[in-house]
Amino acid sequence: KQEVTQIPAALSVPEGENLVLNCSFTDSAIYNLQWFRQDPGKGLTSLLLIQSSQREQTSGRLNASLDKSSGRSTLYIAASQPGDSATYLCAVNSGNTPLVFGKGTRLSVIA
Amino acid sequence: NAGVTQTPKFQVLKTGQSMTLQCAQDMNHEYMSWYRQDPGMGLRLIHYSVGAGITDQGEVPNGYNVSRSTTEDFPLRLLSAAPSQTSVYFCASSYSEMSTTEAFFGQGTRLTVV
Repeated sequence: KQEVTQIPAALSVPEGENLVLNCSFTDSAIYNLQWFRQDPGKGLTSLLLIQSSQREQTSGRLNASLDKSSGRSTLYIAASQPGDSATYLCAVNSGNTPLVFGKGTRLSVIA
Repeated sequence: NAGVTQTPKFQVLKTGQSMTLQCAQDMNHEYMSWYRQDPGMGLRLIHYSVGAGITDQGEVPNGYNVSRSTTEDFPLRLLSAAPSQTSVYFCASSYSEMSTTEAFFGQGTRLTVV
């Protein structure tokens, strides 16, 4: 059974800092991994989708990496801004069940 | 495109009442699923469907029913609401379960059972 863990559970950083969010999964047989953002009281917004054959994906200040063999992904946020404050969720697609989610990292960027 | 649309956005039920949470997508996605999100528990899968006429149970299916008569719609029925079903419910869709494309989520239904 696939299990997804996100560390840390919460993170508070000053504005402008570069930061890394971590995601690990137990079964390396995945099709893809997706990072989402969730603002309080809102739905999930897809940030990046990284295929099992890819090592990384970039969108603006965001960069996601994937090391399938070690069961790890990282989300790198450059030059953080207060508007980046949200919960970030990692989800794994193993192909035989719907997405399995981590519990998320709650990020606060302090101005 | 509207994407994934959930209705209602908010609902208050009394214990024992039944209701249906609606989910519709206009992307011709085969794969749809329902999750519930609770503090400290993350998103947990309730039921999912790989296509019209096919449904299966997820991690927490008790107390919920689903059906998939069309590709577009995947309603979630609460048979007899209980306070433990107070949660935020999200519907998701994707092209297929082995898709290389991303999953899309609705904005959620916030349900309170009193």
